[in-house]
Amino acid sequence: AQSVTQLGSHVSVSEGALVLLRCNYSSSVPPYLFWYVQYPNQGLQLLLKYTTGATLVKGINGFEAEFKKSETSFHLTKPSAHMSDAAEYFCAVRLSGAGSYQLTFGKGTKLSVIP
Amino acid sequence: GAGVSQSPSNKVTEKGKDVELRCDPISGHTALYWYRQSLGQGLEFLIYFQGNSAPDKSGLPSDRFSAERTGGSVSTLTIQRTQQEDSAVYLCASSLGDNNSNQPQHFGDGTRLSIL
Repeated sequence: AQSVTQLGSHVSVSEGALVLLRCNYSSSVPPYLFWYVQYPNQGLQLLLKYTTGATLVKGINGFEAEFKKSETSFHLTKPSAHMSDAAEYFCAVRLSGAGSYQLTFGKGTKLSVIP
Repeated sequence: GAGVSQSPSNKVTEKGKDVELRCDPISGHTALYWYRQSLGQGLEFLIYFQGNSAPDKSGLPSDRFSAERTGGSVSTLTIQRTQQEDSAVYLCASSLGDNNSNQPQHFGDGTRLSIL
């Protein structure tokens, strides 16, 4: 079984400030990890994913995340927040290996960007 | 290219009525998923289709919920005798075949279902 914990249901940052959204997971086997963003009244859009290889992954819109196995974390960062980053962000885990497909999501973190 | 298409985008119905939600996946995607997003429960997996294999229905919350996928493409999620707790956004996603489970799932914009 797997689970995801996102610390902070709401995060506020000033425009131009660092964005840090936290995600910790538990998984019985090596996981695949994803970050999705959801804008109001829209579906989920993939920001980035970690499967194997390099532990620092870069995604769209200047976001990146680092897989830290020892900390079971996959925090999302962006050096400088933009007003258009205001949205809800979901971390998700999927077990690696054949036959595993279900995404397990965290509860989400709503990001507000203050001008 | 076209993404995952869901219809209707909004549905309001009376308690006790049946509803059908439709999902048209990305062309070429053999895997299709339904999730439910509600305020209290977050995002929950409902059902998974892969090619011609029997679907995984393990996430369906009750026997009032059912889904089918015709011809390996379009899927319909049906909720019978709707209850107020069924009010949620129902999201459909699709992905390339499950030979390698690192393929990301691509989501539609969802159907917002409101039960009066």
